[in-house]
Amino acid sequence: KAGVTQTPRYLIKTRGQQVTLSCSPISGHRSVSWYQQTPGQGLQFLFEYFSETQRNKGNFPGRFSGRQFSNSRSEMNVSTLELGDSALYLCASSVTGGNGNTIYFGEGSWLTVV
Amino acid sequence: DAKTTQPPSMDCAEGRAANLPCNHSTISGNEYVYWYRQIHSQGPQYIIHGLKNNETNEMASLIITEDRKSSTLILPHATLRDTAVYYCIVRLAIIQGAQKLVFGQGTRLTINP
Repeated sequence: KAGVTQTPRYLIKTRGQQVTLSCSPISGHRSVSWYQQTPGQGLQFLFEYFSETQRNKGNFPGRFSGRQFSNSRSEMNVSTLELGDSALYLCASSVTGGNGNTIYFGEGSWLTVV
Repeated sequence: DAKTTQPPSMDCAEGRAANLPCNHSTISGNEYVYWYRQIHSQGPQYIIHGLKNNETNEMASLIITEDRKSSTLILPHATLRDTAVYYCIVRLAIIQGAQKLVFGQGTRLTINP
């Protein structure tokens, strides 16, 4: 069974540009969430989607957005990139996101903003 | 904010059992304790989770105290590949069915040869 797949694995963007990251959850998983990891702030929750609806959102500016498609695949977008957006972006999936569900992470997308 | 407290670092000899403690004194009745680990530059790897009873799988054992205010993750025979940052997480139940994990700083476990 394939794990959570994230693309691209590495990318470099310039300040002011935008970026779109993609996540394919484990087959049968309908809940997808996104996290940002930086050396200073650690792992922080961005948002979570279930059945194409955002159910929960972390404390990030509106430049960070996401969506989920009918096949449960998800994308996140960061607009007007800032140097501080350089981070490892992680996607995680679970069957329903319910308490007790196991949540599995992908390997992440490394974003560098120059 | 994270609701768990873990030692920032620990060392363990290869082949010995590694016991990683976690304090979660404010845990509520319907919150699970999850353990993940992260090896440098990789995504967090699920290890184990539990509610009240002790749990064991092929990777580790989870011992939860009777009052549920603390737990211990046990890696029975640590190897060099177990060197990682280990996160103890109490699963927040803010919204029914919503998936959110709040990570603390974790414990950096170093396995020494």
